[in-house]
Amino acid sequence: AQTVTQSQPEMSVQEAETVTLSCTYDTSESDYYLFWYKQPPSRQMILVIRQEAYKQQNATENRFSVNFQKAAKSFSLKISDSQLGDAAMYFCAYRSAPGTASKLTFGTGTRLQVTL
Amino acid sequence: DTGVSQDPRHKITKRGQNVTFRCDPISEHNRLYWYRQTLGQGPEFLTYFQNEAQLEKSRLLSDRFSAERPKGSFSTLEIQRTEQGDSAMYLCASSLVTGSQETQYFGPGTRLLVL
Repeated sequence: AQTVTQSQPEMSVQEAETVTLSCTYDTSESDYYLFWYKQPPSRQMILVIRQEAYKQQNATENRFSVNFQKAAKSFSLKISDSQLGDAAMYFCAYRSAPGTASKLTFGTGTRLQVTL
Repeated sequence: DTGVSQDPRHKITKRGQNVTFRCDPISEHNRLYWYRQTLGQGPEFLTYFQNEAQLEKSRLLSDRFSAERPKGSFSTLEIQRTEQGDSAMYLCASSLVTGSQETQYFGPGTRLLVL
C-alpha cells in the first residue's frame, strides 16, 4: 500500500516571502500522480497543483511550484510571494495511475501560517 | 457549475442513532468519492462510485456504513448505530474521468458529532 508522509505539522512564512512544504511518499508503482490540496479554515479543499510521475518537468501554477524527485520519492511544494490568503492546511496526496485504484491517499497535512 | 454540495453541513446525534448524509456532485461527473477526515489527519478513503456502480470500498467501511448512488447522480452515505468513534468530517468528491485525466473536486463536508 502507498503511504504519504508530511513531516512538518506547522510552518510559518512572512507575507511576500517564499516557503517550501515537504512531502515524501512510498510506492512500488512506476506510474502515478501526485497532488497538493489546500484546505482553508472551515472551507472546502481545493486543488493547488498536480504532477504526473512520467513527466520530468516540475509542475507550476502561478506562485505555486513543485520539486518532484522521483528517485527520492519526494514532492515538495514551493509557494512564492506568500499572501495572507495562502494560510491553510496543505495536504499532499498520491493516486495510482489510471486503470488501477483511483482513490487519493493523503498525508497528515501541514498547517501554514502567513504573518505580516 | 455550482460545485460539489453536501447536506447537512453539521450533524449532532446520540450514540446508537442512524444518520444519513447526501452529496450532490458536479453535474455530469461520473465518479463520486467519500472520504472521512478526523481531527489532525488527512482524509481517508471510504468508497467510490463510477456512475451508479460502487467499485471499491475501504476496510474502514464497516458493515454499519452503506453508500448508494442510485441514479448515478447524487449519493447518500448512511451510518447505522453510530458510535463516538464515527465523529469526523465526511467529505465527498466528484470527478470526470476523461482518458488519463482525473481531478477530484471536494465538497465542504458534513461534520458529524456523536455524543
